[in-house]
Order: sequence, then C-alpha cells, then structure tokens
Amino acid sequence: EDQVTQSPEALRLQEGESSSLNCSYTVSGLRGLFWYRQDPGKGPEFLFTLYSAGEEKEKERLKATLTKKESFLHITAPKPEDSATYLCAVQAPGGSYIPTFGRGTSLIVHP
Amino acid sequence: DAGVTQSPTHLIKTRGQQVTLRCSPKSGHDTVSWYQQALGQGPQFIFQYYEEEERQRGNFPDRFSGHQFPNYSSELNVNALLLGDSALYLCASSPSPQGTGNTIYFGEGSWLTVV
Repeated sequence: EDQVTQSPEALRLQEGESSSLNCSYTVSGLRGLFWYRQDPGKGPEFLFTLYSAGEEKEKERLKATLTKKESFLHITAPKPEDSATYLCAVQAPGGSYIPTFGRGTSLIVHP
Repeated sequence: DAGVTQSPTHLIKTRGQQVTLRCSPKSGHDTVSWYQQALGQGPQFIFQYYEEEERQRGNFPDRFSGHQFPNYSSELNVNALLLGDSALYLCASSPSPQGTGNTIYFGEGSWLTVV
C-alpha cells in the first residue's frame, strides 16, 4: 500500500530561521508529488507539482525538491505569515492515480 | 477566473439526519473529487466524478453518495449521520481524470458538525 509520511509533525521557527520539511513516500511509478499550504479552517492552497527526481521548483521563500524516495520543502528566511500546515500528496498507479495525502507539518513562525 | 466554490461553509446537523454539500469546479475542469479531513489529519479521498459517473471510490460506506451534473458541478450526500462524520469536507477539481499528474485544486471546504 502506498505510504506518505511527513516530518516533523510540528515545527516552530523564529522569523528568519531557515528550515526544511520532509515528505517521504513508498510508491511505484510516481506520476506527481504535490505540495499544498493549508491555513486553519481553510481548504488546501496549491503550491507545487514535481514529476521526476532531480526536479526543483521555487516560489518566493519556498523551494521544493524531489528525489526517488522523498521531497523536501525548504523555507528560507520565513516570516510569520508563512505559518500554516503544509501538506504533501503523491499520485501513482497503485492508488489509481488518486492523490494520497500525508498528515501534514504544522509550521509556526514567531516574530 | 473563479476557483472551486463550495456551499455551505458551515453547518450543524443532528445524528441520524442527512446532509447535502455542493461544489462548483474551477473553470475548465470537468472532474470533481470529494475528500474528508478530520482535525489533525490529511484529506481522505471519498470519491471522484467524471462525465456524471462515479469513477473511483475510497474506503467510505454507502452512506456517502454523490452526483455530478451536466455543468460539472457536484453534490455530496451523507445519510444517517454519525458523530464521527464531523469534519471538513473538501471538494477538489482537475482537468480530466487523473493519470498524468494533473494538479487538483481545492475549495475552501464545508465544515460539518454532527451533534
């Protein structure tokens, strides 16, 4: 069965303190790995889609990378407004191409 | 460009009642999926609709049913509500059934509380 594991479950940073969130997966034939940001009580907001190992994408202070076993979401010099839960999802034939989500990493950035 | 819209945003129901949630997909999208998200959990897939038919279904009982209309909008129905059905219900849309890494886009969700 496909598995998606995100770590850490929660992360507290000081403003400006860079860090990385991890999403490890055990699927065959990855078709896509997705990162979303979710604010409390809101729906997930799309950030990135990665398709193959070695691929990288950037948006403002966020950079997503992908290897054959995991993806990292790097946050450079975070600001308090980056506080949110970050969700990772994978899409593969074993899951009938339905994205399978991890439990997310709750990020709090203190001013 | 309107994104995915859902209604209602919040509702409270009593155990045993029935509820209907509604969703309009993002412009240009014809595939709608529904997810249930409990507090502290990732979204769990309920089912997917394409061409007015249920194409995929997750591990949810038959109390959960849906419908897709010719304009691609969709409804999620839950019968005989249980306390454990309390959650955020998310609608997501994508262009055509997935298989090629199509990104899915979510609405803001409908918060259901069962008392």
